[in-house]
Amino acid sequence: DQQVKQNSPSLSVQEGRISILNCDYTNSMFDYFLWYKKYPAEGPTFLISISSIKDKNEDGRFTVFLNKSAKHLSLHIVPSQPGDSAVYFCAASGGMSGYSTLTFGKGTMLLVSP
Amino acid sequence: EAGVTQSPTHLIKTRGQQATLRCSPISGHTSVYWYQQALGLGLQFLLWYDEGEERNRGNFPPRFSGRQFPNYSSELNVNALELEDSALYLCASSKGQGGEKLFFGSGTQLSVL
Repeated sequence: DQQVKQNSPSLSVQEGRISILNCDYTNSMFDYFLWYKKYPAEGPTFLISISSIKDKNEDGRFTVFLNKSAKHLSLHIVPSQPGDSAVYFCAASGGMSGYSTLTFGKGTMLLVSP
Repeated sequence: EAGVTQSPTHLIKTRGQQATLRCSPISGHTSVYWYQQALGLGLQFLLWYDEGEERNRGNFPPRFSGRQFPNYSSELNVNALELEDSALYLCASSKGQGGEKLFFGSGTQLSVL
């Protein structure tokens, strides 16, 4: 039973446009959400997070939106750059699993073309 | 400052053998986490160690085990290897508990033939 779902395995965007990566979760106890980025042959790196007490968090070109009622979050990258091409993982924590272990989605591969 | 280091980078074993994977956390980090990334799947939580103790375990059989040493480095052992154990094994570390911002190593690619 997948508790964190990223239904788009891949996304292609042109440089300068907006990239929107989506994530859905089923466990209503999750209350802290994170995005990680992974380049080939490297480990994932933390990108941005959001607590359930907020519905938006911004960090430069990256914004995460949280819709608790829909159990949905999205990552917006504006403007997209070729260096953003990577696999993006959505992750969640909270509830029974606590905050020290993360439940990850399968990832979305973003390709930003020049 | 050195990041999380994992060894070996690649490991090839045959079915039924044992594999040992190693991880050194970032200096000052006391928590170590192990995740498995099988082909086409997301990162699946395996084990969490903090201050030398196993704190949490994911939904994996007992042949997946590990330990954390006094210097906070960690070992993951996989006994009686099966073909489906072939995956990328990622180690991450964090400061104490509450490891919501994990720092990952580059992983060990385990291939079971």
